[in-house]
Amino acid sequence: DTAVSQTPKYLVTQMGNDKSIKCEQNLGHDTMYWYKQDSKKFLKIMFSYNNKELIINETVPNRFSPKSPDKAHLNLHINSLELGDSAVYFCASSQGAGWADTQYFGPGTRLTVL
Amino acid sequence: QKEVEQNSGPLSVPEGAIASLNCTYSDRVSQSFFWYRQYSGKSPELIMSIYSNGDKEDGRFTAQLNKASQYVSLLIRDSQPSDSATYLCAAQFSGTYKYIFGTGTRLKVLA
Repeated sequence: DTAVSQTPKYLVTQMGNDKSIKCEQNLGHDTMYWYKQDSKKFLKIMFSYNNKELIINETVPNRFSPKSPDKAHLNLHINSLELGDSAVYFCASSQGAGWADTQYFGPGTRLTVL
Repeated sequence: QKEVEQNSGPLSVPEGAIASLNCTYSDRVSQSFFWYRQYSGKSPELIMSIYSNGDKEDGRFTAQLNKASQYVSLLIRDSQPSDSATYLCAAQFSGTYKYIFGTGTRLKVLA
């Protein structure tokens, strides 16, 4: 019955590799997000999709590319991984993209780049 | 630069006391504010949202919003050791309606 799920939960990889993180929500929400939480626990928005359309695209290296095949899924692909990409990546979803739309978070993917 | 600021703590309170967590934000147009709790190694979970000036109560939690002074606070009454966590404040900013999170306040409730 998980509302927002992510795979994998842990990802350990070498610098220079390409990896993907997948997210799925079964809440029937229209909007999905990717956040990065660094070692100091600062949670920062990266991307957001509303009905499969990109609506938020923060200043993120273009090595990061989100893809939303449908409203229930939002994947994050990262090319040429760097040490600084090590963080916890959270997916979230909300009913819409307007005022007072509450965001619900997935369990997170801990990415470690060696 | 739109910002949300919180004292990183740790804020230590004895069990049974009131814990007071504060947050200030820079965007006067912000209308929606959220408090999330994050246990170590877990994802943020919503505690409360508040949109109007004044107080909003839910069980042991009270959120307070003062738009004129641009601050929002969270009071936790009868604090329990299980309340020990990092509390994240988020403001929803105008334009893209994206959340801007503060850096979080670590709360320790001492048994």
